[in-house]
Amino acid sequence: KQEVTQIPAALSVPEGENLVLNCSFTDSAIYNLQWFRQDPGKGLTSLLLIQSSQREQTSGRLNASLDKSSGRSTLYIAASQPGDSATYLCAVEQGAQKLVFGQGTRLTINP
Amino acid sequence: GAGVSQSPSNKVTEKGKDVELRCDPISGHTALYWYRQSLGQGLEFLIYFQGNSAPDKSGLPSDRFSAERTGGSVSTLTIQRTQQEDSAVYLCASSLSGQWGYNEQFFGPGTRLTVL
Repeated sequence: KQEVTQIPAALSVPEGENLVLNCSFTDSAIYNLQWFRQDPGKGLTSLLLIQSSQREQTSGRLNASLDKSSGRSTLYIAASQPGDSATYLCAVEQGAQKLVFGQGTRLTINP
Repeated sequence: GAGVSQSPSNKVTEKGKDVELRCDPISGHTALYWYRQSLGQGLEFLIYFQGNSAPDKSGLPSDRFSAERTGGSVSTLTIQRTQQEDSAVYLCASSLSGQWGYNEQFFGPGTRLTVL
C-alpha cells in the first residue's frame, strides 16, 4: 500500500527566505506527483504536476523535483512571501486515477 | 473559465438523516473524483468517474455511501443514515481526461459536513 510522508509537519520562516518542503513515497511505481496548496477553509489549488518521466517542473518562484527511484520529491520556494503561508500537500497518482496524499506541511511566513 | 463548484458549502444534519452533496466539474472535463478530508485522516479517495461510469468505488467507506454522475457532468454524492464519523470536508475534483499520468486534478472548495 502506497504511503506518502511529508516532512516537516509545520515550518515557520521569516519573509524572504528560500525554503524546501519534502515529500517521500514508499512505492516508486507512480504515474505522476502533484503539489497543492490549501488555504484555511478552502479547497486545494494545484501548483505543479511532475510526470513520472520528468525530473522537475518550475512555475514562478516554485520548483518541484522528483526522484522516482528513491521515492522523493521536494518543493523549493524562493524568496518566500507572507502570501505563501498555507498548507502544502503532495500527492502521487499510482493508478486507478486516484491520488494518495501526504498529511501536508503547514507553512507560515513571518513578515 | 469557471472552476469546480460544490454545493452546499456547509451542511449540518442530524444523525440518521440522508444528505446529498453536489459537484459541478470544469466544463469539458471527463474525469471526476470525490475525496474526503477529516481531522486525523488527511485526504482520502472515495470514488472516481470516467464519463458516467465509476470504474473504481474502492474508497467508499460503507454501503451508506453512493455516488452518481449524469450527462458526463454533474455528480451527486449521497450519504444515507449519516453517522457522526461522516463529519468531514468532502472535496470534488475534475481532470481533462482519465488517461493515467496526465491527470492534473483541479479541486472545488469542498462541502463541510457536520453530523450532530
